Amino acid sequence: AQSVTQLGSHVSVSEGALVLLRCNYSSSVPPYLFWYVQYPNQGLQLLLKYTTGATLVKGINGFEAEFKKSETSFHLTKPSAHMSDAAEYFCAVSPNNFNKFYFGSGTKLNVKP
Amino acid sequence: DGGITQSPKYLFRKEGQNVTLSCEQNLNHDAMYWYRQDPGQGLRLIYYSQIVNDFQKGDIAEGYSVSREKKESFPLTVTSAQKNPTAFYLCASSISAQKETQYFGPGTRLLVL
Repeated sequence: AQSVTQLGSHVSVSEGALVLLRCNYSSSVPPYLFWYVQYPNQGLQLLLKYTTGATLVKGINGFEAEFKKSETSFHLTKPSAHMSDAAEYFCAVSPNNFNKFYFGSGTKLNVKP
Repeated sequence: DGGITQSPKYLFRKEGQNVTLSCEQNLNHDAMYWYRQDPGQGLRLIYYSQIVNDFQKGDIAEGYSVSREKKESFPLTVTSAQKNPTAFYLCASSISAQKETQYFGPGTRLLVL
Protein backbone atom coordinates (compact mmCIF):
# COMPACT_ATOMS: atom_id res chain seq x y z
CA ALA A 1 0.00 0.00 0.00
CA GLN A 2 1.14 3.50 -0.74
CA SER A 3 1.33 6.11 1.99
CA VAL A 4 2.63 9.57 2.60
CA THR A 5 3.64 10.81 6.04
CA GLN A 6 4.09 14.45 6.89
CA LEU A 7 5.76 14.78 10.25
CA GLY A 8 4.24 17.62 12.23
CA SER A 9 0.73 18.86 11.55
CA HIS A 10 1.78 22.35 12.70
CA VAL A 11 5.15 24.02 12.29
CA SER A 12 5.95 27.49 13.58
CA VAL A 13 8.99 29.53 12.54
CA SER A 14 10.07 33.13 12.92
CA GLU A 15 10.19 35.42 9.93
CA GLY A 16 13.61 35.03 8.30
CA ALA A 17 14.23 31.57 9.77
CA LEU A 18 14.71 28.33 7.87
CA VAL A 19 11.59 26.45 6.88
CA LEU A 20 11.76 22.64 6.90
CA LEU A 21 8.64 20.58 6.22
CA ARG A 22 9.11 16.82 6.25
CA CYS A 23 7.63 14.25 3.91
CA ASN A 24 8.29 10.51 3.82
CA TYR A 25 6.61 8.08 1.49
CA SER A 26 6.31 4.39 0.92
CA SER A 27 6.32 3.15 -2.64
CA SER A 28 7.32 -0.06 -4.32
CA VAL A 29 8.36 1.73 -7.51
CA PRO A 30 10.10 5.06 -8.16
CA PRO A 31 7.41 7.66 -7.64
CA TYR A 32 6.74 11.12 -8.87
CA LEU A 33 6.66 13.53 -5.91
CA PHE A 34 4.88 16.83 -5.47
CA TRP A 35 4.51 19.64 -2.97
CA TYR A 36 1.40 21.80 -3.03
CA VAL A 37 0.47 24.87 -0.99
CA GLN A 38 -3.04 25.79 0.09
CA TYR A 39 -4.16 29.16 1.41
CA PRO A 40 -7.38 29.31 3.48
CA ASN A 41 -10.51 28.43 1.52
CA GLN A 42 -8.61 28.08 -1.72
CA GLY A 43 -7.50 25.26 -3.98
CA LEU A 44 -4.04 23.74 -4.07
CA GLN A 45 -1.22 25.39 -5.95
CA LEU A 46 1.78 23.41 -7.20
CA LEU A 47 5.05 24.46 -5.55
CA LEU A 48 7.38 21.95 -7.17
CA LYS A 49 7.64 18.40 -8.41
CA TYR A 50 10.22 15.66 -8.87
CA THR A 51 9.91 13.28 -11.77
CA THR A 52 13.37 12.11 -12.87
CA GLY A 53 16.88 13.52 -13.09
CA ALA A 54 18.32 16.01 -10.61
CA THR A 55 17.23 15.16 -7.10
CA LEU A 56 17.26 18.77 -5.87
CA VAL A 57 14.21 20.50 -7.25
CA LYS A 58 13.57 24.22 -7.15
CA GLY A 59 10.06 25.59 -7.09
CA ILE A 60 8.18 28.84 -6.82
CA ASN A 61 8.48 31.38 -4.00
CA GLY A 62 12.02 30.27 -3.11
CA PHE A 63 11.10 26.74 -2.04
CA GLU A 64 13.10 23.67 -2.91
CA ALA A 65 12.99 19.97 -2.09
CA GLU A 66 15.41 17.09 -2.31
CA PHE A 67 14.47 13.56 -3.29
CA LYS A 68 16.42 11.04 -1.23
CA LYS A 69 15.65 7.56 -2.41
CA SER A 70 17.58 5.82 0.35
CA GLU A 71 15.56 7.68 2.98
CA THR A 72 12.29 7.66 0.98
CA SER A 73 12.01 11.34 1.74
CA PHE A 74 11.13 14.55 -0.09
CA HIS A 75 11.49 17.32 2.48
CA LEU A 76 10.57 20.90 1.58
CA THR A 77 12.85 23.77 2.56
CA LYS A 78 13.13 27.53 2.25
CA PRO A 79 16.13 29.43 3.60
CA SER A 80 14.22 32.44 4.91
CA ALA A 81 10.54 32.45 5.83
CA HIS A 82 8.24 35.30 4.88
CA MET A 83 4.92 36.14 6.48
CA SER A 84 3.25 35.33 3.16
CA ASP A 85 4.46 31.71 3.46
CA ALA A 86 1.90 31.01 6.19
CA ALA A 87 -0.34 28.35 4.67
CA GLU A 88 -0.92 24.61 4.65
CA TYR A 89 1.47 22.45 2.69
CA PHE A 90 0.73 19.04 1.22
CA CYS A 91 3.12 16.40 -0.03
CA ALA A 92 1.77 14.05 -2.71
CA VAL A 93 3.04 10.90 -4.37
CA SER A 94 2.15 9.40 -7.71
CA PRO A 95 3.67 5.95 -7.32
CA ASN A 96 2.89 4.19 -10.55
CA ASN A 97 2.02 4.76 -14.14
CA PHE A 98 -1.52 5.75 -13.38
CA ASN A 99 -2.08 9.25 -12.09
CA LYS A 100 -3.58 8.40 -8.72
CA PHE A 101 -2.14 10.78 -6.18
CA TYR A 102 -1.70 9.94 -2.52
CA PHE A 103 -1.66 13.00 -0.28
CA GLY A 104 -0.16 13.50 3.14
CA SER A 105 -2.35 14.94 5.88
CA GLY A 106 -0.79 18.38 5.52
CA THR A 107 1.42 20.66 7.59
CA LYS A 108 0.23 24.11 8.62
CA LEU A 109 3.06 26.60 8.61
CA ASN A 110 2.83 29.57 10.95
CA VAL A 111 5.29 32.43 10.51
CA LYS A 112 5.84 34.66 13.52
CA PRO A 113 6.91 38.28 13.10
CA ASP B 1 -7.40 32.73 -18.98
CA GLY B 2 -7.08 28.95 -18.76
CA GLY B 3 -8.05 27.26 -15.55
CA ILE B 4 -10.48 25.28 -13.48
CA THR B 5 -13.65 26.78 -12.11
CA GLN B 6 -15.84 25.36 -9.39
CA SER B 7 -19.25 26.59 -8.42
CA PRO B 8 -20.76 27.50 -6.14
CA LYS B 9 -18.15 28.58 -3.59
CA TYR B 10 -20.51 27.64 -0.75
CA LEU B 11 -23.39 25.18 -0.93
CA PHE B 12 -25.98 24.24 1.64
CA ARG B 13 -27.72 20.90 1.70
CA LYS B 14 -30.86 19.94 3.54
CA GLU B 15 -31.36 16.46 4.95
CA GLY B 16 -32.32 13.97 2.25
CA GLN B 17 -31.41 16.30 -0.59
CA ASN B 18 -29.11 15.64 -3.52
CA VAL B 19 -26.81 18.48 -4.52
CA THR B 20 -24.51 18.88 -7.51
CA LEU B 21 -21.13 20.58 -7.52
CA SER B 22 -19.89 21.98 -10.79
CA CYS B 23 -16.35 21.64 -12.16
CA GLU B 24 -15.33 23.09 -15.52
CA GLN B 25 -11.89 23.30 -17.11
CA ASN B 26 -10.71 25.00 -20.30
CA LEU B 27 -7.21 23.51 -20.21
CA ASN B 28 -8.05 20.76 -22.72
CA HIS B 29 -7.10 18.18 -20.10
CA ASP B 30 -8.19 14.59 -20.55
CA ALA B 31 -8.22 13.56 -16.89
CA MET B 32 -10.31 15.03 -14.09
CA TYR B 33 -10.61 14.23 -10.38
CA TRP B 34 -12.77 14.95 -7.35
CA TYR B 35 -11.31 15.07 -3.86
CA ARG B 36 -12.81 15.57 -0.46
CA GLN B 37 -10.85 17.48 2.17
CA ASP B 38 -11.55 17.23 5.89
CA PRO B 39 -9.50 18.97 8.58
CA GLY B 40 -6.34 17.05 9.45
CA GLN B 41 -6.98 14.32 6.88
CA GLY B 42 -5.48 15.65 3.70
CA LEU B 43 -7.25 14.93 0.43
CA ARG B 44 -9.14 11.76 -0.35
CA LEU B 45 -10.07 10.71 -3.89
CA ILE B 46 -13.79 10.34 -4.58
CA TYR B 47 -13.95 9.72 -8.34
CA TYR B 48 -11.70 10.20 -11.32
CA SER B 49 -12.11 10.22 -15.09
CA GLN B 50 -9.37 9.45 -17.57
CA ILE B 51 -11.34 10.37 -20.68
CA VAL B 52 -14.80 11.47 -21.72
CA ASN B 53 -17.59 8.99 -20.97
CA ASP B 54 -15.40 7.07 -18.56
CA PHE B 55 -14.99 7.36 -14.81
CA GLN B 56 -13.79 5.21 -11.93
CA LYS B 57 -14.44 5.09 -8.20
CA GLY B 58 -11.77 6.41 -5.91
CA ASP B 59 -11.23 5.57 -2.27
CA ILE B 60 -14.44 7.09 -0.86
CA ALA B 61 -17.04 6.90 -3.64
CA GLU B 62 -20.00 5.77 -1.52
CA GLY B 63 -22.76 8.37 -1.49
CA TYR B 64 -21.40 10.23 -4.52
CA SER B 65 -21.98 10.05 -8.27
CA VAL B 66 -20.38 11.71 -11.30
CA SER B 67 -20.75 12.05 -15.05
CA ARG B 68 -18.31 12.95 -17.81
CA GLU B 69 -20.36 13.74 -20.89
CA LYS B 70 -18.06 16.54 -22.03
CA LYS B 71 -14.30 16.82 -21.84
CA GLU B 72 -14.42 20.13 -19.99
CA SER B 73 -17.03 19.20 -17.39
CA PHE B 74 -17.02 16.74 -14.47
CA PRO B 75 -19.94 17.43 -12.09
CA LEU B 76 -20.15 15.70 -8.72
CA THR B 77 -23.49 14.85 -7.09
CA VAL B 78 -23.60 14.37 -3.36
CA THR B 79 -26.55 12.10 -2.76
CA SER B 80 -28.70 11.66 0.33
CA ALA B 81 -26.83 8.39 0.93
CA GLN B 82 -23.76 10.39 1.94
CA LYS B 83 -24.39 10.75 5.66
CA ASN B 84 -21.55 13.11 6.45
CA PRO B 85 -21.24 15.44 3.47
CA THR B 86 -19.88 18.52 5.25
CA ALA B 87 -16.43 19.07 3.75
CA PHE B 88 -14.40 21.08 1.28
CA TYR B 89 -14.57 19.58 -2.21
CA LEU B 90 -11.75 20.06 -4.70
CA CYS B 91 -11.78 19.34 -8.39
CA ALA B 92 -8.55 18.80 -10.30
CA SER B 93 -7.45 18.02 -13.84
CA SER B 94 -4.31 16.80 -15.58
CA ILE B 95 -3.19 16.60 -19.20
CA SER B 96 -3.49 12.85 -19.12
CA ALA B 97 -3.87 10.11 -16.56
CA GLN B 98 -0.20 9.20 -16.72
CA LYS B 99 1.78 10.65 -13.80
CA GLU B 100 1.07 14.24 -14.69
CA THR B 101 0.76 17.31 -12.51
CA GLN B 102 -2.75 17.83 -11.21
CA TYR B 103 -4.12 21.37 -11.28
CA PHE B 104 -6.77 22.30 -8.76
CA GLY B 105 -9.85 24.47 -8.76
CA PRO B 106 -10.71 26.89 -5.92
CA GLY B 107 -13.02 24.44 -4.15
CA THR B 108 -16.62 24.27 -2.95
CA ARG B 109 -17.51 24.16 0.73
CA LEU B 110 -20.59 22.05 1.38
CA LEU B 111 -22.52 22.58 4.58
CA VAL B 112 -25.51 20.69 5.91
CA LEU B 113 -28.47 22.63 7.29
